[in-house]
Amino acid sequence: SQQGEEDPQALSIQEGENATMNCSYKTSINNLQWYRQNSGRGLVHLILIRSNEREKHSGRLRVTLDTSKKSSSLLITASRAADTASYFCATHSGNTPLVFGKGTRLSVIA
Amino acid sequence: GAVVSQHPSWVICKSGTSVKIECRSLDFQATTMFWYRQFPKQSLMLMATSNEGSKATYEQGVEKDKFLINHASLTLSTLTVTSAHPEDSSFYICSARSGLDATDTQYFGPGTRLTVL
Repeated sequence: SQQGEEDPQALSIQEGENATMNCSYKTSINNLQWYRQNSGRGLVHLILIRSNEREKHSGRLRVTLDTSKKSSSLLITASRAADTASYFCATHSGNTPLVFGKGTRLSVIA
Repeated sequence: GAVVSQHPSWVICKSGTSVKIECRSLDFQATTMFWYRQFPKQSLMLMATSNEGSKATYEQGVEKDKFLINHASLTLSTLTVTSAHPEDSSFYICSARSGLDATDTQYFGPGTRLTVL
């Protein structure tokens, strides 16, 4: 069953702007991960944040996690046209494999 | 880093035929492999989980007789779509995990696009 719900479903911004995507989930988690997928291609792992962490950075990416609200956000700063892709959150709960959210389609216009 | 490959990357077949997709972990031993399906503009849906040497565990609503999964070795899992129909057309992605801990990293293959005519 689907665990995460991303919003917005689609986001269009100008190059150089920041992009923020949100993910909500329903049950307790061990960790939450963000992936990128270019159209018709495989997944690229971006970042993992554990349930006891609140914020994590990787390059132009910043991920926050609020376990009390069961939500996470992914911020991409100074976006580039190459950031155009779909972004998915995925959660680990108990012994289950990764369960993916519906994704956000990001378009960065040059 | 850990690499997972899939073969073929795309396949077109006639309705009623069977198609086999291979998933290999190239530089690590995968105790557990997962198969996901992704329809256009949708998310990845888990189909089944397989552990090396044992039968796969299928998610609710996934027909085990239609989607045959074999995980015969620690580096290879295969998904066979039997008697494929146009509604089986989808992007199939495998994932492999080396450890027994559910929180160990899952590494994803590049996907296989299946088109059934």
